[in-house]
Amino acid sequence: NAGVMQNPRHLVRRRGQEARLRCSPMKGHSHVYWYRQLPEEGLKFMVYLQKENIIDESGMPKERFSAEFPKEGPSILRIQQVVRGDSAAYFCASSPPVSSGGETQYFGPGTRLLVL
Amino acid sequence: AQSVTQPDIHITVSEGASLELRCNYSYGATPYLFWYVQSPGQGLQLLLKYFSGDTLVQGIKGFEAEFKRSQSSFNLRKPSVHWSDAAEYFCAVGSWEYGNKLVFGAGTILRVKS
Repeated sequence: NAGVMQNPRHLVRRRGQEARLRCSPMKGHSHVYWYRQLPEEGLKFMVYLQKENIIDESGMPKERFSAEFPKEGPSILRIQQVVRGDSAAYFCASSPPVSSGGETQYFGPGTRLLVL
Repeated sequence: AQSVTQPDIHITVSEGASLELRCNYSYGATPYLFWYVQSPGQGLQLLLKYFSGDTLVQGIKGFEAEFKRSQSSFNLRKPSVHWSDAAEYFCAVGSWEYGNKLVFGAGTILRVKS
């Protein structure tokens, strides 16, 4: 059973470009979470999605950041017009339905974004 | 506000020695708690979790943790550390009452000397 998949693992962008990060949850998982880890810090929650729905985006910056989890395909975290401060590791986690232990989140390997 | 404190940024132990990593939390609801481990450049691996019941929980790789409600703590322990345990360890808390988003501590970097 494959774990949470994220791609790309590393992404380099110049200021002003767009960054698109993908996350495929574990098989059978219907909940996806995105977290950001700044250098030498812990992870900070960004957004929580189920298929076709954003459940909680309280941790997302109000501008330039968006997330989706379509009916088909991976979840996408999109950062428009990137700035140097967006350089970080972005982790995706998935969890099963609530009735099946939805409290436990399993993390992917992360995408390291570097903005030049 | 919910918060997790890991007081030790770095800890160094000798191989074979015992280990305790501290975690304290401040949380307005009944939390569930996790310990994750992260090797350099890698993702987070779940070590163990506590939801309810027995306050001493066993995890993978010989780790255990004890939930102490009166002290708002969830310390991670291992009786004998191996060189391969060198990594960064994160304590996290969550609750469905707060939408299941995890709040993480800043992490503790463990170094193992031979």
